[in-house]
Amino acid sequence: EPEVTQTPSHQVTQMGQEVILRCVPISNHLYFYWYRQILGQKVEFLVSFYNNEISEKSEIFDDQFSVERPDGSNFTLKIRSTKLEDSAMYFCASTTTNPETQYFGPGTRLLVL
Amino acid sequence: EDQVTQSPEALRLQEGESSSLNCSYTVSGLRGLFWYRQDPGKGPEFLFTLYSAGEEKEKERLKATLTKKESFLHITAPKPEDSATYLCAGTNFGNEKLTFGTGTRLTIIP
Repeated sequence: EPEVTQTPSHQVTQMGQEVILRCVPISNHLYFYWYRQILGQKVEFLVSFYNNEISEKSEIFDDQFSVERPDGSNFTLKIRSTKLEDSAMYFCASTTTNPETQYFGPGTRLLVL
Repeated sequence: EDQVTQSPEALRLQEGESSSLNCSYTVSGLRGLFWYRQDPGKGPEFLFTLYSAGEEKEKERLKATLTKKESFLHITAPKPEDSATYLCAGTNFGNEKLTFGTGTRLTIIP
């Protein structure tokens, strides 16, 4: 069964450093998403991406964040200058059409020191 | 603002003891209501999608139902492997994002 994959599974970084989180969505999916979950809190939407551009973003997704689909298979989330409060699990999701079911990856646990 | 509220926050059941989890939503123009299961340290795993009031979906020991204002996840004769956090999420006609509730942490005691 096709799955969304994410790398790395864990990332530790120093405050102010740039990080890139990577995702490989399910191959025939067209809509891509990033969510985050701070420990003990709810899953929060960050951004959606369709047809090579951002289609929606939350107020969390400020200028420090960017997304890219550099080739036909990868989807990345970049945080330019990490802050302590960026520590969270980051989930990638994908779907064929909206509002069909979004399928989530296993997540990247980001720890900013 | 769209909101999804789940109750109870946590639920402990004996193996075989049936119960229901509640999800109430104030998503304007609800387009879809989704149930996910989340194990510790893992990503949400899809369970059900419901689109209209009166709709029901079943999978093994789980059944999801939808009314105009809330959804229920019924668990029948649960087993220890059903222990997880169950998440409810909604999406509306105006956007693409899922709005999640805080989840119900379910523990099934053998």
